[in-house]
Amino acid sequence: GAVVSQHPSRVICKSGTSVKIECRSLDFQATTMFWYRQFPKQSLMLMATSNEGSKATYEQGVEKDKFLINHASLTLSTLTVTSAHPEDSSFYICSASRDGTYEQYFGPGTRLTVT
Amino acid sequence: TQLLEQSPQFLSIQEGENLTVYCNSSSVFSSLQWYRQEPGEGPVLLVTVVTGGEVKKLKRLTFQFGDARKDSSLHITAAQPGDTGLYLCAGARGNKLVFGAGTILRVKS
Repeated sequence: GAVVSQHPSRVICKSGTSVKIECRSLDFQATTMFWYRQFPKQSLMLMATSNEGSKATYEQGVEKDKFLINHASLTLSTLTVTSAHPEDSSFYICSASRDGTYEQYFGPGTRLTVT
Repeated sequence: TQLLEQSPQFLSIQEGENLTVYCNSSSVFSSLQWYRQEPGEGPVLLVTVVTGGEVKKLKRLTFQFGDARKDSSLHITAAQPGDTGLYLCAGARGNKLVFGAGTILRVKS
């Protein structure tokens, strides 16, 4: 299989605080992990691509200092939303792909609510 | 502008009806994937099509990749309430996926 987990599944935080979301590939090594944001009833918007051991590549319009991505191992990537504001409230989903393949396996998502 | 045009955006049908979702682009993709997503969950991969003209069947679901690898379709036969969800097509561009806008399918019993 190709199982990807995310933690936490839901988080509520106060405006100005930072939140860390973890993405793990449980049964395979993920050379590349992706972070997406999704608004209600809409498609996925790619935020950044991260490769193990190197800096993440951010999509146009995504602030790298606000959305910190770390991909320290072949099975773990983290997204930290720094100084969160209500407009950062969203559904964040990660995905992982194996080396040499284009198929992405998605985590269950994290619902972030900033009050 | 959307690189992958997906239609229709919303579909509400009765149980037992057939339906087709389309995904079109002016660009060629090395592969195209179809996902299904339920509210509050991540997308689940249904199928990957790679070869132009390829047809894949998954029970009541039939997926087709256009000869030129620019378009794809998903046909569901005898839809059931359990098919309700958001269907997403995604084309591979390098190591990234380009997603269509999605089709919200609601099957009423």
